[in-house]
Amino acid sequence: DVKVTQSSRYLVKRTGEKVFLECVQDMDHENMFWYRQDPGLGLRLIYFSYDVKMKEKGDIPEGYSVSREKKERFSLILESASTNQTSMYLCASSPQGGGNTIYFGEGSWLTVV
Amino acid sequence: AQSVTQPDIHITVSEGASLELRCNYSYGATPYLFWYVQSPGQGLQLLLKYFSGDTLVQGIKGFEAEFKRSQSSFNLRKPSVHWSDAAEYFCAVGADPGRRALTFGSGTRLQVQP
Repeated sequence: DVKVTQSSRYLVKRTGEKVFLECVQDMDHENMFWYRQDPGLGLRLIYFSYDVKMKEKGDIPEGYSVSREKKERFSLILESASTNQTSMYLCASSPQGGGNTIYFGEGSWLTVV
Repeated sequence: AQSVTQPDIHITVSEGASLELRCNYSYGATPYLFWYVQSPGQGLQLLLKYFSGDTLVQGIKGFEAEFKRSQSSFNLRKPSVHWSDAAEYFCAVGADPGRRALTFGSGTRLQVQP
């Protein structure tokens, strides 16, 4: 089974802090994604990466950056956390190519106070 | 650009009753279509997917979905709902060339009454 692991399930951070959300997948997938989930808005794509050191902006990249130094690891960075970034963050991965099944981690609940 | 609409935010059904969750997509050609389920506090699990071929797709947990090109729909169905089906359901589309990410609908929350 594909396993996508998000290291932190629940985090509470202060406004202005730098926040790292880490994600690791064990299936040698080329593509990795960060989505944000908010009630009534579904999942919105923040960033995705299709190869090591490669990244592309999704629909809501403002206030976020990402890092992919190794194929299995994809990090989401909030340079200066704000209260409107309180949300559920979902990491996912998929094999190369468009339209492939995406496999999700269990999510990281981030509260910014 | 591709988009997905799930018109029902919240649905309540009785245990044992049939279920249909609606999904409409917007895309010019034949898309890849998915249904995912999310239990409270968990990530998303794939229920089923449509790429091509037979328009009636069978998935896990007794779910099925039918692709109707003329209606731009991909509705999810189950003939008899169990209490454990209570969850949030997301329809997603993947289509634009080069866009490996899926576009998700806003979700439908299913409540099951005993």
